[in-house]
Amino acid sequence: AQTVTQSQPEMSVQDAETVTLSCTYDTSENNYYLFWYKQPPSRQMILVIRQEAYKQQNATENRFSVNFQKAAKSFSLKISDSQLGDTAMYFCALLDRGSTLGRLYFGRGTQLTVWP
Amino acid sequence: EAGVAQSPRYKIIEKRQSVAFWCNPISGHATLYWYQQILGQGPKLLIQFQNNGVVDDSQLPKDRFSAERLKGVDSTLKIQPAKLEDSAVYLCASSLMIAVATDTQYFGPGTRLTVL
Repeated sequence: AQTVTQSQPEMSVQDAETVTLSCTYDTSENNYYLFWYKQPPSRQMILVIRQEAYKQQNATENRFSVNFQKAAKSFSLKISDSQLGDTAMYFCALLDRGSTLGRLYFGRGTQLTVWP
Repeated sequence: EAGVAQSPRYKIIEKRQSVAFWCNPISGHATLYWYQQILGQGPKLLIQFQNNGVVDDSQLPKDRFSAERLKGVDSTLKIQPAKLEDSAVYLCASSLMIAVATDTQYFGPGTRLTVL
């Protein structure tokens, strides 16, 4: 069974600072994808970044980057130069290609608050 | 490009009543997903459609939940009769391609259901 664990229910950071959100996962598959989604108070889930498990290079998207440690099954999100608009719930998610098409397994989320 | 549309945004009902949610995916997207997000948890997949066929409904409580996507476009999720534990946000998502499990899922704003 696939599981995703986010051990930080809440995090806070001052704007312009850097923050790292943690995520660990478990899967028996070798071929899978990992995602970070952002859910602001509007509730609309927005894809932040994705990582293919077969790629060793860590994904980056502007101020967002990941630290993917496959052996440790760890997938953390680093947000640089935090902005007030980054305040949201962040979900780590796993998608395996071994079974059902497209099923995402989500963690419980980390509420990030960016302070001025 | 219009995003995933959902209605209503909010719904309050009493237990044992019935309720229906509607979703219109992004134009041309073949795959449609319904997720249930209970407060404090990550979304959980209820059912996945590919065009008008069900791909995965293993986590759908079929004694009370039903869903259809008759013409392969918009979809309706119904709960009959509702229980207190059905209080949650119901998210609809869609993705473009049929055979690529890793295609990005785009989410709608969700419907917040409160069962009293």
